[in-house]
Amino acid sequence: DTGVSQNPRHKITKRGQNVTFRCDPISEHNRLYWYRQTLGQGPEFLTYFQNEAQLEKSRLLSDRFSAERPKGSFSTLEIQRTEQGDSAMYLCASSSGLAGGDTQYFGPGTRLTVL
Amino acid sequence: AQSVAQPEDQVNVAEGNPLTVKCTYSVSGNPYLFWYVQYPNRGLQFLLKYITGDNLVKGSYGFEAEFNKSQTSFHLKKPSALVSDSALYFCAVRLPLTGGGNKLTFGTGTQLKVEL
Repeated sequence: DTGVSQNPRHKITKRGQNVTFRCDPISEHNRLYWYRQTLGQGPEFLTYFQNEAQLEKSRLLSDRFSAERPKGSFSTLEIQRTEQGDSAMYLCASSSGLAGGDTQYFGPGTRLTVL
Repeated sequence: AQSVAQPEDQVNVAEGNPLTVKCTYSVSGNPYLFWYVQYPNRGLQFLLKYITGDNLVKGSYGFEAEFNKSQTSFHLKKPSALVSDSALYFCAVRLPLTGGGNKLTFGTGTQLKVEL
């Protein structure tokens, strides 16, 4: 399977704990995105990388959130001191950056539950 | 700012009948428009996009969408619905300018239910 992969698929944690998610994009894609989706809502943009550079961050991304893409390949999203409001599906997407609309392809997501 | 509206939370249609899922957008400039489908506990699957050119765009699984600039709409259509089309559908918009970022702005989704 050459699509976007995300791990873990599910994460249950207690409030106050730190969690880290991983995203592996489609191999030739240099752009990588993180979104958050809560029940009954569409995905909301969190942050965007081109290669290893983080070029855009949403105001939704509080100081407790940090994302990295150290070698321009996989990316990690860490949430520190989790809160119940962080419970959501975290989606990763990648795109080639080429002309033609630069379609974003999504992974299956990581569902986070904060108890 | 860019925004997307999907006015219907749910659309019900009988199998074999045509279906339409509505989407309107608000953006400064000429948008790129996308439709994605989401099955339960899955990520989003790309269906089709409008960039420029022909207003009628054809995509995966027999879906198509019509871009209407004057009405700022991008409705998703299919001539004959299947039970397997039952899923959550999202419309999304982004600006074509690289300076405007690459983020997609999504609507709240429309649940499509196709019944026998």
